[in-house]
Amino acid sequence: EDQVTQSPEALRLQEGESSSLNCSYTVSGLRGLFWYRQDPGKGPEFLFTLYSAGEEKEKERLKATLTKKESFLHITAPKPEDSATYLCAAQEGGGADGLTFGKGTHLIIQP
Amino acid sequence: DVKVTQSSRYLVKRTGEKVFLECVQDMDHENMFWYRQDPGLGLRLIYFSYDVKMKEKGDIPEGYSVSREKKERFSLILESASTNQTSMYLCASSLDLTPTDTQYFGPGTRLTVL
Repeated sequence: EDQVTQSPEALRLQEGESSSLNCSYTVSGLRGLFWYRQDPGKGPEFLFTLYSAGEEKEKERLKATLTKKESFLHITAPKPEDSATYLCAAQEGGGADGLTFGKGTHLIIQP
Repeated sequence: DVKVTQSSRYLVKRTGEKVFLECVQDMDHENMFWYRQDPGLGLRLIYFSYDVKMKEKGDIPEGYSVSREKKERFSLILESASTNQTSMYLCASSLDLTPTDTQYFGPGTRLTVL
Protein backbone atom coordinates (compact mmCIF):
# COMPACT_ATOMS: atom_id res chain seq x y z
CA GLU A 1 0.00 0.00 0.00
CA ASP A 2 1.28 3.43 -0.90
CA GLN A 3 2.22 5.48 2.11
CA VAL A 4 3.37 8.94 2.94
CA THR A 5 4.77 9.56 6.42
CA GLN A 6 5.59 12.96 7.85
CA SER A 7 7.74 13.75 10.85
CA PRO A 8 7.67 15.23 13.33
CA GLU A 9 3.92 15.44 14.00
CA ALA A 10 4.43 18.77 15.72
CA LEU A 11 7.34 21.19 15.98
CA ARG A 12 7.72 24.28 18.07
CA LEU A 13 10.52 26.69 17.15
CA GLN A 14 11.66 30.08 18.25
CA GLU A 15 11.51 32.86 15.69
CA GLY A 16 14.69 32.69 13.60
CA GLU A 17 15.43 29.05 14.52
CA SER A 18 15.86 27.10 11.28
CA SER A 19 14.73 23.48 10.96
CA SER A 20 13.53 20.82 8.53
CA LEU A 21 10.36 18.81 8.12
CA ASN A 22 10.55 15.30 6.73
CA CYS A 23 8.27 13.42 4.32
CA SER A 24 9.08 9.81 3.44
CA TYR A 25 7.11 7.98 0.76
CA THR A 26 6.73 4.48 -0.59
CA VAL A 27 4.65 5.34 -3.67
CA SER A 28 5.78 3.28 -6.64
CA GLY A 29 6.46 5.23 -9.80
CA LEU A 30 6.34 8.67 -8.23
CA ARG A 31 4.83 11.19 -10.59
CA GLY A 32 5.07 14.19 -8.32
CA LEU A 33 5.68 15.15 -4.68
CA PHE A 34 3.68 18.09 -3.41
CA TRP A 35 3.98 20.38 -0.42
CA TYR A 36 1.02 22.36 0.86
CA ARG A 37 0.50 24.76 3.73
CA GLN A 38 -2.78 24.65 5.64
CA ASP A 39 -4.00 27.26 8.10
CA PRO A 40 -6.68 26.34 10.66
CA GLY A 41 -10.15 26.03 9.13
CA LYS A 42 -8.90 26.60 5.58
CA GLY A 43 -8.10 24.52 2.54
CA PRO A 44 -4.50 23.54 1.71
CA GLU A 45 -2.50 26.17 -0.14
CA PHE A 46 -0.10 24.89 -2.78
CA LEU A 47 3.61 25.52 -2.18
CA PHE A 48 5.78 23.27 -4.37
CA THR A 49 5.81 20.35 -6.77
CA LEU A 50 8.95 18.22 -7.11
CA TYR A 51 9.26 15.75 -9.94
CA SER A 52 12.60 13.96 -9.65
CA ALA A 53 15.33 13.14 -7.17
CA GLY A 54 17.81 15.96 -6.73
CA GLU A 55 15.31 18.67 -7.51
CA GLU A 56 15.04 21.70 -5.23
CA LYS A 57 12.56 24.56 -5.13
CA GLU A 58 12.52 27.72 -3.02
CA LYS A 59 9.94 30.25 -1.96
CA GLU A 60 10.83 32.95 0.53
CA ARG A 61 12.02 31.16 3.69
CA LEU A 62 11.04 27.70 2.44
CA LYS A 63 13.08 25.25 0.39
CA ALA A 64 11.88 21.82 -0.67
CA THR A 65 14.20 19.00 -1.72
CA LEU A 66 13.57 15.50 -3.03
CA THR A 67 15.46 12.21 -2.89
CA LYS A 68 14.34 8.79 -4.09
CA LYS A 69 12.71 8.00 -0.74
CA GLU A 70 11.97 11.27 0.98
CA SER A 71 11.46 14.99 0.74
CA PHE A 72 12.48 17.74 3.12
CA LEU A 73 10.96 21.13 3.69
CA HIS A 74 13.65 23.40 5.09
CA ILE A 75 12.53 26.52 6.92
CA THR A 76 15.19 29.19 7.29
CA ALA A 77 14.86 31.90 9.94
CA PRO A 78 11.12 31.35 10.35
CA LYS A 79 8.68 34.03 11.44
CA PRO A 80 5.46 33.63 13.45
CA GLU A 81 3.43 33.92 10.24
CA ASP A 82 5.02 30.66 9.06
CA SER A 83 3.03 28.85 11.75
CA ALA A 84 0.72 26.36 10.01
CA THR A 85 0.31 22.68 9.25
CA TYR A 86 2.53 21.59 6.37
CA LEU A 87 1.23 18.72 4.29
CA CYS A 88 3.17 16.47 1.98
CA ALA A 89 1.44 14.46 -0.76
CA ALA A 90 2.56 12.00 -3.42
CA GLN A 91 1.03 11.21 -6.76
CA GLU A 92 1.58 7.86 -8.44
CA GLY A 93 2.37 7.64 -12.15
CA GLY A 94 -0.19 7.48 -14.94
CA GLY A 95 -3.41 9.36 -15.60
CA ALA A 96 -5.47 11.61 -13.41
CA ASP A 97 -5.29 10.40 -9.87
CA GLY A 98 -5.79 11.57 -6.36
CA LEU A 99 -2.98 12.44 -4.01
CA THR A 100 -1.83 10.32 -1.10
CA PHE A 101 -1.33 12.67 1.81
CA GLY A 102 0.75 12.45 4.93
CA LYS A 103 -0.86 13.49 8.20
CA GLY A 104 1.05 16.75 8.30
CA THR A 105 3.48 18.55 10.57
CA HIS A 106 1.97 21.19 12.84
CA LEU A 107 4.55 23.97 13.03
CA ILE A 108 4.46 26.70 15.67
CA ILE A 109 6.89 29.61 15.52
CA GLN A 110 7.09 31.50 18.78
CA PRO A 111 8.07 35.18 18.73
CA ASP B 1 -5.20 32.73 -10.04
CA VAL B 2 -7.02 29.46 -9.75
CA LYS B 3 -10.23 29.75 -7.81
CA VAL B 4 -12.06 26.81 -6.31
CA THR B 5 -15.20 27.65 -4.38
CA GLN B 6 -17.39 25.50 -2.20
CA SER B 7 -21.03 26.25 -1.60
CA SER B 8 -20.96 26.31 2.19
CA ARG B 9 -18.27 26.86 4.82
CA TYR B 10 -20.31 25.27 7.58
CA LEU B 11 -23.24 22.86 7.34
CA VAL B 12 -25.29 21.08 10.01
CA LYS B 13 -27.52 18.19 9.00
CA ARG B 14 -29.46 15.43 10.71
CA THR B 15 -28.88 11.70 10.44
CA GLY B 16 -30.64 10.26 7.41
CA GLU B 17 -30.81 13.51 5.46
CA LYS B 18 -29.60 13.72 1.87
CA VAL B 19 -26.74 16.20 1.67
CA PHE B 20 -25.29 17.97 -1.36
CA LEU B 21 -21.89 19.62 -1.29
CA GLU B 22 -21.10 21.77 -4.32
CA CYS B 23 -17.76 22.73 -5.77
CA VAL B 24 -17.06 25.11 -8.64
CA GLN B 25 -13.76 25.93 -10.33
CA ASP B 26 -13.21 28.79 -12.75
CA MET B 27 -10.04 27.67 -14.57
CA ASP B 28 -11.42 25.16 -17.06
CA HIS B 29 -9.70 22.29 -15.25
CA GLU B 30 -10.35 18.75 -16.46
CA ASN B 31 -9.89 16.99 -13.12
CA MET B 32 -11.84 17.51 -9.92
CA PHE B 33 -11.55 15.74 -6.58
CA TRP B 34 -13.32 15.34 -3.27
CA TYR B 35 -11.40 14.63 -0.06
CA ARG B 36 -12.35 14.46 3.56
CA GLN B 37 -10.01 15.51 6.35
CA ASP B 38 -10.18 14.12 9.87
CA PRO B 39 -7.86 14.62 12.86
CA GLY B 40 -5.24 11.89 13.01
CA LEU B 41 -6.22 10.51 9.59
CA GLY B 42 -5.23 13.33 7.27
CA LEU B 43 -6.82 13.89 3.88
CA ARG B 44 -8.40 10.91 2.19
CA LEU B 45 -9.69 10.75 -1.37
CA ILE B 46 -13.40 10.00 -1.75
CA TYR B 47 -14.05 10.36 -5.49
CA PHE B 48 -12.53 12.10 -8.46
CA SER B 49 -13.56 12.96 -11.99
CA TYR B 50 -11.35 13.41 -15.04
CA ASP B 51 -14.09 14.56 -17.41
CA VAL B 52 -17.74 15.54 -17.54
CA LYS B 53 -19.99 12.64 -16.54
CA MET B 54 -16.95 10.54 -15.63
CA LYS B 55 -16.15 9.48 -12.08
CA GLU B 56 -13.70 7.23 -10.30
CA LYS B 57 -13.76 5.87 -6.76
CA GLY B 58 -11.05 6.98 -4.43
CA ASP B 59 -9.95 5.32 -1.22
CA ILE B 60 -13.15 5.77 0.81
CA PRO B 61 -16.19 6.02 -1.52
CA GLU B 62 -18.65 4.12 0.70
CA GLY B 63 -21.68 6.21 1.63
CA TYR B 64 -20.95 8.85 -1.01
CA SER B 65 -21.77 9.49 -4.64
CA VAL B 66 -20.79 12.27 -7.03
CA SER B 67 -22.13 14.11 -10.02
CA ARG B 68 -20.36 16.07 -12.71
CA GLU B 69 -22.81 17.40 -15.27
CA LYS B 70 -20.71 20.41 -16.24
CA LYS B 71 -16.96 20.77 -16.44
CA GLU B 72 -16.73 23.46 -13.80
CA ARG B 73 -18.97 21.84 -11.19
CA PHE B 74 -18.47 18.70 -9.10
CA SER B 75 -21.00 17.68 -6.48
CA LEU B 76 -20.57 15.31 -3.56
CA ILE B 77 -23.75 13.60 -2.37
CA LEU B 78 -24.34 11.91 0.95
CA GLU B 79 -27.40 9.78 0.23
CA SER B 80 -28.26 9.25 3.89
CA ALA B 81 -26.01 11.21 6.21
CA SER B 82 -24.58 9.45 9.24
CA THR B 83 -22.70 10.80 12.26
CA ASN B 84 -19.45 9.21 11.08
CA GLN B 85 -19.58 11.50 8.05
CA THR B 86 -19.02 14.53 10.25
CA SER B 87 -15.82 15.93 8.79
CA MET B 88 -14.11 18.68 6.82
CA TYR B 89 -14.76 18.18 3.11
CA LEU B 90 -12.28 19.60 0.62
CA CYS B 91 -12.71 19.95 -3.11
CA ALA B 92 -9.75 20.29 -5.48
CA SER B 93 -9.20 20.71 -9.20
CA SER B 94 -6.28 20.30 -11.58
CA LEU B 95 -5.44 20.94 -15.21
CA ASP B 96 -4.46 17.68 -16.85
CA LEU B 97 -0.79 18.26 -17.58
CA THR B 98 2.19 15.98 -17.85
CA PRO B 99 4.36 15.01 -16.07
CA THR B 100 2.11 15.90 -13.21
CA ASP B 101 -0.74 18.24 -12.38
CA THR B 102 -0.99 20.40 -9.31
CA GLN B 103 -4.23 20.19 -7.38
CA TYR B 104 -5.70 23.44 -6.07
CA PHE B 105 -8.04 23.28 -3.12
CA GLY B 106 -11.16 25.12 -2.10
CA PRO B 107 -11.72 26.56 1.39
CA GLY B 108 -13.51 23.46 2.67
CA THR B 109 -16.95 22.68 4.07
CA ARG B 110 -17.16 21.65 7.70
CA LEU B 111 -20.10 19.26 7.90
CA THR B 112 -21.65 18.23 11.19
CA VAL B 113 -24.18 15.40 11.19
CA LEU B 114 -26.31 15.23 14.35
